[in-house]
Amino acid sequence: DQQVKQNSPSLSVQEGRISILNCDYTNSMFDYFLWYKKYPAEGPTFLISISSIKDKNEDGRFTVFLNKSAKHLSLHIVPSQPGDSAVYFCAASVRYSGAGSYQLTFGKGTKLSVIP
Amino acid sequence: DSGVTQTPKHLITATGQRVTLRCSPRSGDLSVYWYQQSLDQGLQFLIQYYNGEERAKGNILERFSAQQFPDLHSELNLSSLELGDSALYFCASSVVPTGGTDTQYFGPGTRLTVL
Repeated sequence: DQQVKQNSPSLSVQEGRISILNCDYTNSMFDYFLWYKKYPAEGPTFLISISSIKDKNEDGRFTVFLNKSAKHLSLHIVPSQPGDSAVYFCAASVRYSGAGSYQLTFGKGTKLSVIP
Repeated sequence: DSGVTQTPKHLITATGQRVTLRCSPRSGDLSVYWYQQSLDQGLQFLIQYYNGEERAKGNILERFSAQQFPDLHSELNLSSLELGDSALYFCASSVVPTGGTDTQYFGPGTRLTVL
């Protein structure tokens, strides 16, 4: 049972345009969400996160939106650059589990290709 | 560079063998997480250690075990290896505060190939 789903395995966007990556989750206990970028032969790199008490978080060209009622989050990259081409993973955790563990549940990733 | 180091980068071994993967967390981080990434399963949480003690277990096989040492580095031991254990193994570290955000930073991974 996939608790975090990224339904688009791949996405192609023209350089300079907006990239929108989507993620859905089923576990209503999740209260902290993160996006990671991964290049081949490297580990995931943290990009941006959002707590469930917010509906938007922005960091430079990256903005994450959270819609709790729809259990949906999205990552917007504006403007997209060729260096953004990578696999993007959505991840979720339960911050206040009481056990002090923040294990991440990952989606299967979306491969973004930004075309020059 | 995340500050998390993992060795070795690549490991090729045969079925039935045992291997040890090593991880050094970022300076100041007390928690180490291990994840497995296989082709069909994506990134899956295996186990977490916090300041030397096991804190949480995920989808970790009984043939696998881990520990965290007093200097906070961690080792993941994989034994009686099977072909299906071939995967990328990532270590991540974090501060794990008592509340607030906790972001995990990942190492470059160890690629294990079982022949």
